[in-house]
Amino acid sequence: NAGVTQTPKFQVLKTGQSMTLQCAQDMNHNSMYWYRQDPGMGLRLIYYSASEGTTDKGEVPNGYNVSRLNKREFSLRLESAAPSQTSVYFCASSFDRASNYGYTFGSGTRLTVV
Amino acid sequence: AQKITQTQPGMFVQEKEAVTLDCTYDTSDQSYGLFWYKQPSSGEMIFLIYQGSYDEQNATEGRYSLNFQKARKSANLVISASQLGDSAMYFCAMREAYNNNDMRFGAGTRLTVKP
Repeated sequence: NAGVTQTPKFQVLKTGQSMTLQCAQDMNHNSMYWYRQDPGMGLRLIYYSASEGTTDKGEVPNGYNVSRLNKREFSLRLESAAPSQTSVYFCASSFDRASNYGYTFGSGTRLTVV
Repeated sequence: AQKITQTQPGMFVQEKEAVTLDCTYDTSDQSYGLFWYKQPSSGEMIFLIYQGSYDEQNATEGRYSLNFQKARKSANLVISASQLGDSAMYFCAMREAYNNNDMRFGAGTRLTVKP
C-alpha cells in the first residue's frame, strides 16, 4: 500500500536550474496538492488539482508550474530555481476537496537551492 | 491574514500525563472543517483527527480528542496518557467550505514527551 509517492527525496540545485518533482497516488483520489513547508510557517499551498484535467493556484504559486498528467500523477516544476525556493515540498491527495478524512501526504522532498 | 494560530512553539509533558495543544482560528464561514496532523522527526505528515463546524460532539480518535469551542473559535488537541512516540510536531489546519476549500495550516507546536 504505497499511498502517495514522491520523488526525489532530496535534491540540491544551483540557482537558475530547473527540475520537476514527481508525485503519484494509488488510492483513486480525485484531488491532489502541492505544499511547501518552511520553518515557523507551517505548510503553504502552492497549487492544487481538484480533479483530473484541472489545476489552480494556491497561496504561493509564483515560480512554480504544475501538471496533472492523469488521475494518479501530479508534478511540480521549478523552471528557474531560486534560493527562496529552498524548502521541504509535500504532495498530498484526497478523495475530493471537501473530504472529512484529511489529506494523505507523501514523505516529502527536501530541496536546497544554492 | 493568519487564519490558524498555534501560540505554543514548544511543549513538554511527562510520559503518561495528558497534554493540550492550543489552536485558534479565524473565519467568517459557517461551514468549515478543523484538522490536526502529526509530523514525527522522520518528516511524514499523519492525519490525526477531524472536527466539522456543525458537529455538536467533540471528535475523538483513540487517545486524541479535539476540544471544540465554536464561540471562542478554538480547536485544541488533547492527547491523553502521553507516550514517548508522541514526541513530534503537531499542526492544526482548517478548511473553509466556501473559500475554494484550501486547507490552511498553523505554524505548529513541537511536543516533547519526557520519560
